[in-house]
Amino acid sequence: KNEVEQSPQNLTAQEGEFITINCSYSVGISALHWLQQHPGGGIVSLFMLSSGKKKHGRLIATINIQEKHSSLHITASHPRDSAVYICAARGGYGGSQGNLIFGKGTKLSVKP
Amino acid sequence: GAVVSQHPSRVICKSGTSVKIECRSLDFQATTMFWYRQFPKQSLMLMATSNEGSKATYEQGVEKDKFLINHASLTLSTLTVTSAHPEDSSFYICSARGGHSRFFGPGTRLTVL
Repeated sequence: KNEVEQSPQNLTAQEGEFITINCSYSVGISALHWLQQHPGGGIVSLFMLSSGKKKHGRLIATINIQEKHSSLHITASHPRDSAVYICAARGGYGGSQGNLIFGKGTKLSVKP
Repeated sequence: GAVVSQHPSRVICKSGTSVKIECRSLDFQATTMFWYRQFPKQSLMLMATSNEGSKATYEQGVEKDKFLINHASLTLSTLTVTSAHPEDSSFYICSARGGHSRFFGPGTRLTVL
């Protein structure tokens, strides 16, 4: 079992829909990252969370430390949101500090 | 915001040659840089962690003599794939740590013929 699990693996939505991508982790973490990878391969860091909720434009990320769960929400989705969304947990202790443990990603396709 | 660049973005080389990939933090100093490789439809796999001025720490299974990492300054780390073979063809991504944040380069697609 992966230490970081994402669901769903693939997601197709119609433009305008509200989207939720989930991430569960089994390790102790100091922070959790949400990343966006476009078809060309480049990665953009969307959020870094250690508690609570963050919002940037149409994107919202939440984390529940007790439940070891984070969600990424996209409101009013648009075709340009089509990408792979990756959650990555940052270890907080000892040798794992600073290393990121990546989920396998959720491939989102938003249809016009 | 902080930017990390990689060069080249794409390289095709013959088997047996060496390829150098540069990773630069453009507007911040990165004491730590991470090198990842990503196979198609797979997640990023950490290859090594490099700290400025010291030897890189390689992940288990990564050959340090094949993947040479140099982190000579606070803004530049290089990954050299020595004697490249077709199985080294992959997408290589660097990441730089700035404070508590992490910034990723755009990646380098290496194809070894």
